[in-house]
Amino acid sequence: EIVLTQSPGTLSLSPGDRATLSCRTSQTISSSYLNWYQQRPGQAPRLLIYGASTRATGIPDRFTGSGSGTDFTLTINRLEPEDFAVYYCQQYGTSLYSFGRGTKLEIK
Amino acid sequence: QVQLVESGGQVVQPGTSLRLSCEGSGFTFNRYGMIWVRQAPGKGLEWVAVISYDGANQFYADSVKGRFTISRDNPKDTLFLQMNSLNVEDTAIYYCVREDLVIVPGSQKKSFVYYYFMDVWGKGTTVTVSS
Repeated sequence: EIVLTQSPGTLSLSPGDRATLSCRTSQTISSSYLNWYQQRPGQAPRLLIYGASTRATGIPDRFTGSGSGTDFTLTINRLEPEDFAVYYCQQYGTSLYSFGRGTKLEIK
Repeated sequence: QVQLVESGGQVVQPGTSLRLSCEGSGFTFNRYGMIWVRQAPGKGLEWVAVISYDGANQFYADSVKGRFTISRDNPKDTLFLQMNSLNVEDTAIYYCVREDLVIVPGSQKKSFVYYYFMDVWGKGTTVTVSS
């Protein structure tokens, strides 16, 4: 089973700042199998990035995904108030999925 | 618009069974794999089960294998999760999720790159297992 480790657990920033979120996998995976989701309080998660770097429909270009192998990053530029949420990375492998534990992005 | 609506969540006692349903609309249901994801109170997301577009293949997380069964009724655009032998650790919001698959040509001749992701989520239904 592939384990995803997200860091930091909590990130405290101000609107307008840049956020850098990390996701490390316990084994090398194809970049096409690494996705990112955002979950705002009281809401269902929504897809942000698939294939490590492709923004989902309607996601602003402030959100950028990058990485390969075992190290992946979600960067959020010019934080808006609605960006403060929990972010999860997720991988797919042989019909099985797993999520990281999440990074909570909170207002400083 | 594309929508998934779950139902069936309730408070049940340990050891009992429950069946969740999820109705899809706004898309061709029988063209997509479907997934259940759950979230325990104050915790992260946990993948539970996936079923192929035609119902022929199902896969489960170890935590539910042998107790939960995922199934679908394509003519009725509905996904199910039969949950047996429930325990307190199964208490969670259960989300119905559409699995999308995108296939693009790869960099090498006659190769392809496959992208699997969860692109549409329902609002969830709450299951509470308590004595």
